[in-house]
Amino acid sequence: ILNVEQSPQSLHVQEGDSTNFTCSFPSSNFYALHWYRWETAKSPEALFVMTLNGDEKKKGRISATLNTKEGYSYLYIKGSQPEDSATYLCASNYGGSQGNLIFGKGTKLSVKP
Amino acid sequence: NAGVTQTPKFRILKIGQSMTLQCTQDMNHNYMYWYRQDPGMGLKLIYYSVGAGITDKGEVPNGYNVSRSTTEDFPLRLELAAPSQTSVYFCASRPATRDNEQFFGPGTRLTVL
Repeated sequence: ILNVEQSPQSLHVQEGDSTNFTCSFPSSNFYALHWYRWETAKSPEALFVMTLNGDEKKKGRISATLNTKEGYSYLYIKGSQPEDSATYLCASNYGGSQGNLIFGKGTKLSVKP
Repeated sequence: NAGVTQTPKFRILKIGQSMTLQCTQDMNHNYMYWYRQDPGMGLKLIYYSVGAGITDKGEVPNGYNVSRSTTEDFPLRLELAAPSQTSVYFCASRPATRDNEQFFGPGTRLTVL
């Protein structure tokens, strides 16, 4: 059974702090890694889709890196703001273009003003 | 575009009742998915479809049925509801091209008593 692990499970930071969290996944037969942002009472929204080893993507203050050989991805948030408070999900795809996503349990981030 | 829409938003069922969760997307996406999300768990795939007339089981299909008669609609049917089916259900869709993120609906919160 393929397992995607995220750590930490939850994180509390002060406004202005930079933070990062980890997604670990089996590296064999890897195809793509997705990051989603999920605010309470809303639906998950895609942040990044990454496929290449060493890939790095950025959207505003949020960036992500990918290491497919060792099976991990980091998500970084620079200068956290209260509006960054959400659950961040990662999901891995092993089935190629028709493959389904296997989701981690998420990291819940709370940013205090 | 409305994106992915789901109805109802909330529902309470009695044990043994049946219901259909509706999902519609207006983005002409080939792929559609049904997930359930339980507290402390990642999103689990119930059923998916790669196009009209084609459906397949995901990780947790027992107790559910789906159909895909059109590209737009992907209803999820619960027969003989059980308390174990209390969950939040998300529908998602994506284009057939590779590396594309999934677009999620707002979710249906179902309670079976």
